[in-house]
Amino acid sequence: SAVISQKPSRDICQRGTSLTIQCQVDSQVTMMFWYRQQPGQSLTLIATANQGSEATYESGFVIDKFPISRPNLTFSTLTVSNMSPEDSSIYLCSVLQGNYGYTFGSGTRLTVV
Amino acid sequence: QQQVKQSPQSLIVQKGGIPIINCAYENTAFDYFPWYQQFPGKGPALLIAIRPDVSEKKEGRFTISFNKSAKQFSLHIMDSQPGDSATYFCAADGTASKLTFGTGTRLQVTL
Repeated sequence: SAVISQKPSRDICQRGTSLTIQCQVDSQVTMMFWYRQQPGQSLTLIATANQGSEATYESGFVIDKFPISRPNLTFSTLTVSNMSPEDSSIYLCSVLQGNYGYTFGSGTRLTVV
Repeated sequence: QQQVKQSPQSLIVQKGGIPIINCAYENTAFDYFPWYQQFPGKGPALLIAIRPDVSEKKEGRFTISFNKSAKQFSLHIMDSQPGDSATYFCAADGTASKLTFGTGTRLQVTL
């Protein structure tokens, strides 16, 4: 299955600032996904990012707050904009490969102070 | 609306015991049911998955039981070990290619 690298692994940010999270995959994949996992909670899908098209956002998530780029088949970024303490979460990148199902990165642990 | 309900929220078993985690779904369009294991500070890792055309699947010490008519599926961990202590998530997916996760079960295996 694909190996996913996420950067940064963790960060502490001031409220009102933005953070861009990078997701690098070691093979080409069509479908990439961004999830949020709040402390002690389950995973919630933020958006689906397919190369060559705009990201598709789930209910409750908007592009102005979570802009996503997908410049090629191995890379994507998620930006968390104008952060508040409520944005403190783990953000995870995931890819779908037909034979292997969904694979997840190790996540980015974000703390907003 | 929670589309995949998972129970129990937490579970403590002794080494060698067989913890069972249950999930129920509502959407009959789901056709792929994976289980994930997550250790602190790590992303979820796929353990085992099943499709509705079979009622049971085993991989090593992990078994999924699937009841299509009841829209329920469960994970059994045979001969559980302290290293199995983690959070387990069930999930479901369909033609929309969007994983829906259960709420998670925190498993502790004691010596």
